[in-house]
Amino acid sequence: EADIYQTPRYLVIGTGKKITLECSQTMGHDKMYWYQQDPGMELHLIHYSYGVNSTEKGDLSSESTVSRIRTEHFPLTLESARPSHTSQYLCASTAATLIAGGATYEQYFGPGTRLTVT
Amino acid sequence: KNQVEQSPQSLIILEGKNCTLQCNYTVSPFSNLRWYKQDTGRGPVSLTIMTFSENTKSNGRYTATLDADTKQSSLHITASQLSDSASYICVVSDRGSTLGRLYFGRGTQLTVWP
Repeated sequence: EADIYQTPRYLVIGTGKKITLECSQTMGHDKMYWYQQDPGMELHLIHYSYGVNSTEKGDLSSESTVSRIRTEHFPLTLESARPSHTSQYLCASTAATLIAGGATYEQYFGPGTRLTVT
Repeated sequence: KNQVEQSPQSLIILEGKNCTLQCNYTVSPFSNLRWYKQDTGRGPVSLTIMTFSENTKSNGRYTATLDADTKQSSLHITASQLSDSASYICVVSDRGSTLGRLYFGRGTQLTVWP
């Protein structure tokens, strides 16, 4: 199991609040990701980063923003939370791993933050 | 459209029994296929990664198979245990970029009863 941490694990807040979900990893991985997952649904990529000062939007449109000032830290911020933001947010980082015929990137996931906006 | 479909959506089995989960995909080009186990309230944990040249790969009581021609994969769990209760997610990576674009299935929710 990889060393990737997320805080808080659970958060219930009111509409309009600003929140930051924390994600940190101690493995020195350059690539980090944020996914959004609703119950019974697939993970959707909302942000990713190739390294310090690099951030990109993912496939799913999200009103959140991210920053990558340090390699080990990739926080996600919602300026004004709404009930539609209620979901589970998973952070991940990747490391190269050998497979038959070459290499690929193994994704290591954090435990997730369950966000509820009332 | 690149998609990953899993079946069944949910499954209940008795402890000690075997089961097989299915994954069909339309992702192209294909790089590799992964099976993850996700316990409730936790992040997914990798079980196996297979490339197109691999037909089967085992990890303890978990055995994954891959048929790249028919674009199908299965995850077989032998002698199930209560701790196997989780969601099992099939993930396919394309060869499109260094990021290795990942396509996620919705998972099969497995419940093992004593």
